[in-house]
Amino acid sequence: ILNVEQSPQSLHVQEGDSTNFTCSFPSSNFYALHWYRWETAKSPEALFVMTLNGDEKKKGRISATLNTKEGYSYLYIKGSQPEDSATYLCASINNNDMRFGAGTRLTVKP
Amino acid sequence: GAVVSQHPSWVICKSGTSVKIECRSLDFQATTMFWYRQFPKQSLMLMATSNEGSKATYEQGVEKDKFLINHASLTLSTLTVTSAHPEDSSFYICSAQRTFFGPGTRLTVL
Repeated sequence: ILNVEQSPQSLHVQEGDSTNFTCSFPSSNFYALHWYRWETAKSPEALFVMTLNGDEKKKGRISATLNTKEGYSYLYIKGSQPEDSATYLCASINNNDMRFGAGTRLTVKP
Repeated sequence: GAVVSQHPSWVICKSGTSVKIECRSLDFQATTMFWYRQFPKQSLMLMATSNEGSKATYEQGVEKDKFLINHASLTLSTLTVTSAHPEDSSFYICSAQRTFFGPGTRLTVL
C-alpha cells in the first residue's frame, strides 16, 4: 500500500451502537499514525498519535489500535452518540512524509 | 489546547484575481506551518511546508509562482493564490506542527 486508505467512506449508525473503522497505511519506514476528528466548519481535532506496534490508546468512548507490521489501525467508538457525528481522518508519517486518508464520515442517528 | 485560526473561512472571486489566506497560531509560536488542499471526496494533499524566515518548500506539481507562501513571523503564514482560475477552487487548510489545524478556507473561483 503506497497511500493511506480508510474504510468505510461513510457510516450511519443508531445512537448507542458501537462502531469501528479502518485506516490502512504503508508499513515501510513507518514513524507515526495520527487520528483526527473533524466536525463540519471546525478545525480537525487531534485524537491520538501512535508510534509503536501494538499501541492502544483510549479517550473516553473512543479507542484506537495500531499494527505497524501489517499497516493498519482501527478506531473504535463505544456506544455512539449524535455528537460523535464527524469525519474521522487518519494520517501516516513514513520517511517524514505525512499522508492523509480521505476520512470516514460517521453519522449517528438519535 | 493550541488554536490555529484561518481567514477567510470562505471566499468567492472572479477568475484572474488573487486571493490571500491567512493562518495564525493564536497561543503558541509555529516555526513550521503546512498548507494542504482538498478536492471533493479526496484526501488532504500537502501543497507546501512554510518555514518562518525562509522560503517555503513546495511539493511536486505545486507551482510556487502561483501559490505564494509567506511566513514572516512565528504566528502568521499566508498563502496567496495568484491569478486564480476555476480549477483552483478547492478547500485550503493550514496546520501547525502537524497537529493543530485551522478550520480551512473554501475558495470558489468563478
